[in-house]
Formats: sequence, C-alpha cells, structure tokens
Amino acid sequence: QMQLQESGPGLVQPSQTLSLTCTVSGGSISRTDYYWSWIRQSPGKGLEWIGYIFYNGNAYYTPSLKSRATISIDTSKSQFSLWLTSLTAADTAVYYCASDPRRGRTAAVGSSDYWGQGTLVTVSS
Amino acid sequence: QSALTQPRSVSGSPGQSVTISCTGTSSDVGGHNYVSWYQQYPGKAPKLLIFDVTERPSGVPDRFSGSKSGNTASLTISGLQADDEADYYCSSYTGWYAYVFGTGTEVTVL
Repeated sequence: QMQLQESGPGLVQPSQTLSLTCTVSGGSISRTDYYWSWIRQSPGKGLEWIGYIFYNGNAYYTPSLKSRATISIDTSKSQFSLWLTSLTAADTAVYYCASDPRRGRTAAVGSSDYWGQGTLVTVSS
Repeated sequence: QSALTQPRSVSGSPGQSVTISCTGTSSDVGGHNYVSWYQQYPGKAPKLLIFDVTERPSGVPDRFSGSKSGNTASLTISGLQADDEADYYCSSYTGWYAYVFGTGTEVTVL
C-alpha cells in the first residue's frame, strides 16, 4: 500500500515562492501506471487540482495556475515537488499530494487513490 | 476550467437514500466517462469512493453508487448511516491531461 507524505514550510511571505515535497513509499515513483498530483484546499473551501507529473518528467497543470506552478520529480529520492511563485493570501491552503492511476489510459483522469495527510501553508507577513 | 456545480448540502434520515448531483458541461462531465467521487471528513484527506462514473474501489461499500446522464453525474448513498456525514466532492476529466473538482456537498444525517 502506497504512502505519501508532504513536507515544507507552514508559513510563507507574500510575493515569495512556495516549495513543497512529497515523499512516496510502499511503491515505486517510477511506475508507468501512475501520475503524481498536487491538490489544494483553501480553508473552508473546495478542492482544487494544481497539476500532475509522470515519472519521465512530463508535467501538466490547471490553466489558472500554469503560469505560477512548476512540478518536478526526483525518482532517485522517490519524491516529487511543487513550486508556486508570486504567492498571495489567496494561496493559503492545505496542500495535498496524491497518486493518480492511469487505469490503462494515456492520461490520469482524476481518480486519486492514495493521498498524503496534507500540509497547511499560510501566506502572511 | 470552472468548478463543477454541486448542491451545497443534502440531508437524510438513517436508512434513507440521498443523491448528490454534479453538473458540468459537454467539455467535462458530458464529454468523458471519467467522473470520480470522494468522501472527506473534517481535517482529513479525501477518500476515493467512485471512479469512471460507476466503479467502486475495493473496500467501498455498495451503498455508494454512481451514475451519469448528459452533463450531470450523481452519487447515491443508500441506507444512510451516521458515519456517512461528511463532505463529498466530484471530479471530472476535462481532456488535455487535466481535471476539475466540484464545489462540494455537505451531507447531514438527521
């Protein structure tokens, strides 16, 4: 059974860049049947998919965050990471990493089966 | 990509059935049979209940079922139980390696 764990700062200043890492255990991050996602949830609000990455480094993003988000992968460390630039208070959220199976398809379609516990990031000076 | 539309809340008595709708467009819900449903308790990560409109992962009770008609998908919870009280989210593939979540629905067991 796969386990995912987010790590990163809990507090970031406005206009700065957020860097979060997700460590995957109990399964290979290099497996070809999974994408690896970042999803966030603002306090009291709904879920928002940020983007996902394949083991080969191909990454895809939601249009609204595409200009500010970068997802990378380090298979040697079994980790994938999220960078989000030009932070504002609106980026305050619980950030989750999750595994997204392809289920035999070319793309992952948003049926995330394993999730990290989430990490709260507050953007404030 | 706009969030899919869900009712803010639904409620039912123990043993009853409740249905949650998830309305999108022909570009997402209506255009792909890739709708998922998640259950989320306060302070916890979401849990996958349904994928590919109707499929249940191993371990999910068959009280949870999914369907779709046109641009609207639905999750039905039969035999409502106290621990079904949670938030529920749908998601849909939108094509071009992207997907979107619904606005979320709070289920209350009366």
